[in-house]
Amino acid sequence: QQQVKQSPQSLIVQKGGISIINCAYENTAFDYFPWYQQFPGKGPALLIAIRPDVSEKKEGRFTISFNKSAKQFSLHIMDSQPGDSATYFCAAGISGSARQLTFGSGTQLTVLP
Amino acid sequence: DAGVIQSPRHEVTEMGQEVTLRCKPISGHDYLFWYRQTMMRGLELLIYFNNNVPIDDSGMPEDRFSAKMPNASFSTLKIQPSEPRDSAVYFCASRHRHEQYFGPGTRLTVT
Repeated sequence: QQQVKQSPQSLIVQKGGISIINCAYENTAFDYFPWYQQFPGKGPALLIAIRPDVSEKKEGRFTISFNKSAKQFSLHIMDSQPGDSATYFCAAGISGSARQLTFGSGTQLTVLP
Repeated sequence: DAGVIQSPRHEVTEMGQEVTLRCKPISGHDYLFWYRQTMMRGLELLIYFNNNVPIDDSGMPEDRFSAKMPNASFSTLKIQPSEPRDSAVYFCASRHRHEQYFGPGTRLTVT
């Protein structure tokens, strides 16, 4: 019930295209959903996060869409650039809880020039 | 702030040797996490601390692994004795409220 399932495992997109990564969860107590971006040789870095009181959050070219009833959330990268090539992790957590984040398995994104 | 600091960045050691990884969290953060990342298992939480107290060490794979946080600005993860299957990238992260900030990691290779 703590698991967060992420897909696809890898994704190849042409420059200028839209990259879409999906995550699903089971635990309805989750109410904090961050996305992390990891470049080779670096630690994961917080990219954007959403809470279930909104269905969408946008920051620049990055948008999180959230479907509470389906227990799914996704990351959309608009106008994908080669510099976006990285591994992306979704995660889920519980506000006000000492519990840690539960991470998805990661998606390796490659944006072709 | 310099962010989460980890040392060493790379460690190569022989099987059976003791390995100590170090972490300095971001000042003011009250949670500290140790993760292990491998291709096969992804990002695994090993242990986390709240205000220097270990809260959950259920992710520590074996008794060969131990972690300490003697004060708010320093933590160690020790593997004794090390084995080749311990080869991985080990990340430390600190947290304020809900946002976790990861360090650059230590790439451990046990031969």
